[in-house]
Amino acid sequence: KAGVTQTPRYLIKTRGQQVTLSCSPISGHRSVSWYQQTPGQGLQFLFEYFSETQRNKGNFPGRFSGRQFSNSRSEMNVSTLELGDSALYLCASSQSMGNTEAFFGQGTRLTVV
Amino acid sequence: QQQVKQSPQSLIVQKGGISIINCAYENTAFDYFPWYQQFPGKGPALLIAIRPDVSEKKEGRFTISFNKSAKQFSLHIMDSQPGDSATYFCAAKGGGYNKLIFGAGTRLAVHP
Repeated sequence: KAGVTQTPRYLIKTRGQQVTLSCSPISGHRSVSWYQQTPGQGLQFLFEYFSETQRNKGNFPGRFSGRQFSNSRSEMNVSTLELGDSALYLCASSQSMGNTEAFFGQGTRLTVV
Repeated sequence: QQQVKQSPQSLIVQKGGISIINCAYENTAFDYFPWYQQFPGKGPALLIAIRPDVSEKKEGRFTISFNKSAKQFSLHIMDSQPGDSATYFCAAKGGGYNKLIFGAGTRLAVHP
């Protein structure tokens, strides 16, 4: 069974640009959550999607957005990039809502210059 | 109330020793407590998890101890090996969502 696939693995963007990251969950999993990991702030929840609907949102500005498709694949978008957006962005896949196990992908390393 | 506090920040253990990492939470709505292991350049990997209706769960060399009244839980790694050198995160979630609240992480180094 394939794991969680995140693409691309690495990205370098310039301040002010926008970026789209992709996540394919484990087959059969319908919930996708996104996290930002930085040395200073640790692992912080961005948002969670289930059945193409955002179910929960973390404390991030509106520049951070996401969506989920009917095949459960998810994308997150960051507009007007800032230097502080440089981070490892992680996607977690869960079978459903509620207290089910969450499995992470390898992440996308975003560097904003 | 959403915080999960993790200690120590770093830990050095000799090969064969016991590594112990502690976490504390405040939100009594949390009802699922996983531990993740992360190697450099990789995503966090689910190691072991516990629900508050049990006080201990063991999987191989890894044991979670859970104290509901104290709102604390800990990870014990028995017979620690150099390959266990990684960053460990405790986490918590509840309320019917999959949002994980993570501790700050513990960097474990197991010396041969």
